Amino acid sequence: QKEVEQNSGPLSVPEGAIASLNCTYSDRVSQSFFWYRQYSGKSPELIMSIYSNGDKEDGRFTAQLNKASQYVSLLIRDSQPSDSATYLCAVIGGNTGFQKLVFGTGTRLLVSP
Amino acid sequence: KAGVTQTPRYLIKTRGQQVTLSCSPISGHRSVSWYQQTPGQGLQFLFEYFSETQRNKGNFPGRFSGRQFSNSRSEMNVSTLELGDSALYLCASSTGGSETQYFGPGTRLLVL
Repeated sequence: QKEVEQNSGPLSVPEGAIASLNCTYSDRVSQSFFWYRQYSGKSPELIMSIYSNGDKEDGRFTAQLNKASQYVSLLIRDSQPSDSATYLCAVIGGNTGFQKLVFGTGTRLLVSP
Repeated sequence: KAGVTQTPRYLIKTRGQQVTLSCSPISGHRSVSWYQQTPGQGLQFLFEYFSETQRNKGNFPGRFSGRQFSNSRSEMNVSTLELGDSALYLCASSTGGSETQYFGPGTRLLVL
């Protein structure tokens, strides 16, 4: 079982729709959870961090964490073509130790005009 | 604040050579982590340094090494390069602990 799992996609949504990206993790004692966006040929850019159960909203982005189900999601409202990128879920802490971000393979999002 | 910087941005080497990559963290950040990104394996953790000490290490061979200086700048070295070492090498800095890591632009290494 992979430590962090994501559907590779592509996830295709029309402009203005809600994109829903999902991630599961295996280490039950993981502490911190992150969503990064990566455009082709560029480095990962932080979108959201979430540390406790529930929802966290920042503009058009909402991260949701359910530690009991070991599940993290990212909702993008009013999706724009500029949101087309690969979204990486990352987990830190627990048995992997300090500062070792464990990444999923990423979900490619395509937003069509 | 200036972001994380990495040099060089692009590098071409041949098999058997060695390479040194440099990373300057965000001012005030004392933790620097290194990652390798390849199409086949995704983003994989190499090692992390905090206050000049390696605190965590990933599953890479001993050919991959690193160090951190007193000003928090970090270098990683890959000796006896192999074709499979071709990748994007990313460094990320944070204040330490489990806080958010911010990535630099990366060094793209091509081994011929």
